[in-house]
Amino acid sequence: GAVVSQHPSRVICKSGTSVKIECRSLDFQATTMFWYRQFPKQSLMLMATSNEGSKATYEQGVEKDKFLINHASLTLSTLTVTSAHPEDSSFYICSASEGSRNQPQHFGDGTRLSIL
Amino acid sequence: EDQVTQSPEALRLQEGESSSLNCSYTVSGLRGLFWYRQDPGKGPEFLFTLYSAGEEKEKERLKATLTKKESFLHITAPKPEDSATYLCAVQGEGSQGNLIFGKGTKLSVKP
Repeated sequence: GAVVSQHPSRVICKSGTSVKIECRSLDFQATTMFWYRQFPKQSLMLMATSNEGSKATYEQGVEKDKFLINHASLTLSTLTVTSAHPEDSSFYICSASEGSRNQPQHFGDGTRLSIL
Repeated sequence: EDQVTQSPEALRLQEGESSSLNCSYTVSGLRGLFWYRQDPGKGPEFLFTLYSAGEEKEKERLKATLTKKESFLHITAPKPEDSATYLCAVQGEGSQGNLIFGKGTKLSVKP
């Protein structure tokens, strides 16, 4: 089955630090990957759509200069939270699907980001 | 605007007590409705995809059904290991492939 690996699983760092999160599709190629954020007892909210070889598409209200996305290959997308502040603390999850758009998305295990 | 509402927010069952979770949705052109299971501190685990009204899918103690307005996840004779948050999501024709999620139903099954 399709496997998505996300790393690291947990990050604790000081305010002002930049944090990079990696998302890899292990056994399939993904031209599109998605980044979500989840607050406690809330839905997963789409932050951005990551497209291989082109610029990411950001959802309204998500600062593209703060959340840098790079999708350099068909199996890797990265999300960098720049100059993180306590309000950026959240659970970040990536997903990818193989094949056509209506195929199920497979999710990584998420990254718990805590900014002190 | 595409929207997903799940009910109840939380459900406590005794082991063996069957029940159903509801997912109501509004979407402009449904490409697919997806059910996921999420354990604490983990990413969602894919369960089912439903594409058209009348469709049903089964896996072990779980059965998902779909109408034009809602989907149900039926749990038959649940076990404690079925305890998790169950998420419903839709993909609309206007999307780039992303999903719109409900807030989930947190299921607790007591032995």
